[in-house]
Amino acid sequence: DVKVTQSSRYLVKRTGEKVFLECVQDMDHENMFWYRQDPGLGLRLIYFSYDVKMKEKGDIPEGYSVSREKKERFSLILESASTNQTSMYLCASSESRGLGTVAYEQYFGPGTRLTVT
Amino acid sequence: AQSVTQLDSHVSVSEGTPVLLRCNYSSSYSPSLFWYVQHPNKGLQLLLKYTSAATLVKGINGFEAEFKKSETSFHLTKPSAHMSDAAEYFCASVTTKIIFGSGTRLSIRP
Repeated sequence: DVKVTQSSRYLVKRTGEKVFLECVQDMDHENMFWYRQDPGLGLRLIYFSYDVKMKEKGDIPEGYSVSREKKERFSLILESASTNQTSMYLCASSESRGLGTVAYEQYFGPGTRLTVT
Repeated sequence: AQSVTQLDSHVSVSEGTPVLLRCNYSSSYSPSLFWYVQHPNKGLQLLLKYTSAATLVKGINGFEAEFKKSETSFHLTKPSAHMSDAAEYFCASVTTKIIFGSGTRLSIRP
C-alpha cells in the first residue's frame, strides 16, 4: 500500500510564527503536491515538485514556500503565519509519466489541520 | 480555461436508493477525469478514473461514472447507497494541471 504521512494531524500556531509542515511518501514517487482545502472551495494547489530540488508554483503560492531535498520528503513552509492561512493542508504524491507531467492517480496523506491565532 | 463544476454541494439519499453526484468539466483538451472520496478526518482516496479508454468506468465500492463528451459531464453513480458511503466526494480534471471541484457532501438517511 502506498503510504503518505504528514507530520501532524492538528497544529496551532501564532500569527507571525514560521511553520513547517512535513510530508513523507514511501512509494518512490517523483511528483509531490501540497494543497489547502477550505469549505466550498475544494482543493487548491499551493506548490508541486516533480523532482528533488525542483518546484513549481500552483494556483495559490503566495505566503508559502516549499523544500524538497530528498525524493521522499516534501515540506511546506509558512514564512510568517497569518490567520487567513488557517486551513486543512493535504499532501499528495504520484508517479511521473514524463518531465513536468502533473498528475495521474494521486495518493493523499491524512491532512494537517492548521489553526493560526 | 480548465474548470470543474460539481453541481450539488450536498446530496442526501435514503439507504438502498440510487446515488447521483454530478460533475461537469470545461477544458480545451481532452482531460483525464477522476472521482475521489474523503471520509471524515481522512485524506482523499481514488474511487475511479477516466483516461480516454472506455467511457463507462467502474470504481471501488460499487461506484461507476460515465464520460459524456457531448455533455462535458462525468457524473458518479451507485445503484444502492450504503451508510458507509457518507463522505465528501471530489471530481477532478487533469490536462496540463489538475483542477478539483468544490466537493459534494453525501449524506445517507437510514
